[in-house]
Amino acid sequence: EVQLVESGGNLVQPGRSLRLSCAASGFTFGDYAMHWVRQAPGKGLEWVSGISWNSDTIGYADSVKGRFTISRDNAKNSLYLQMNSLRAEDMALYYCAKSPSGDWRTFDVWGQGTMVTVSS
Amino acid sequence: QSVLSQPPSASETPGQRVTISCSGSSSNIGSNYVYWYQQLPGTAPKFLIYRNDQRPSGVPDRFSGSKSGTSASLAISGLRSEDEANYYCATWDDSLSAVVFGGGTKLTVL
Repeated sequence: EVQLVESGGNLVQPGRSLRLSCAASGFTFGDYAMHWVRQAPGKGLEWVSGISWNSDTIGYADSVKGRFTISRDNAKNSLYLQMNSLRAEDMALYYCAKSPSGDWRTFDVWGQGTMVTVSS
Repeated sequence: QSVLSQPPSASETPGQRVTISCSGSSSNIGSNYVYWYQQLPGTAPKFLIYRNDQRPSGVPDRFSGSKSGTSASLAISGLRSEDEANYYCATWDDSLSAVVFGGGTKLTVL
């Protein structure tokens, strides 16, 4: 069974850092692009960042550019999101999502999410 | 304010057909594929339609997608109570170099 399990969400003060992880199983992780998508409480979906299978192509939403860094470790079947200088508007449920073969710009499998709360 | 525009809500009775629209521009819908996601209450989004009108395996043929110019639509026929969910359209935006979503449409099955 294809599965994505996020972790690392927590309560953090504005300006601090947090690192999210996503553990993948049930498929050959190194063959697929991966993404982070977030959803603020009661709001819609927002793409945060994406990374190609070999890390050659990386993209960020303007709202997080320069503050967040996406990375992956194919040997560990894991995706990461390093979040620095966190703001109140970063508070959201962060989903890890997999792209289907040959289509970097969409998401066919989603995790259940990990909650990031930014508050003093 | 979302880059793609969707009606915030839609409603219809069981067994009927409903259409949800998604409007964009030449830099997004006009030049890229459109995707649709279904989010049932309290759950993660689900891949519903890809490349404008294709259904992943397991998605009933009651769900269909279409695209024309800078707009796209999701149609659901034979509505069921379990179709009550939020529906999001998405695509790539060439100007932003980012995936963009619509604001979502909350579907109520009356």
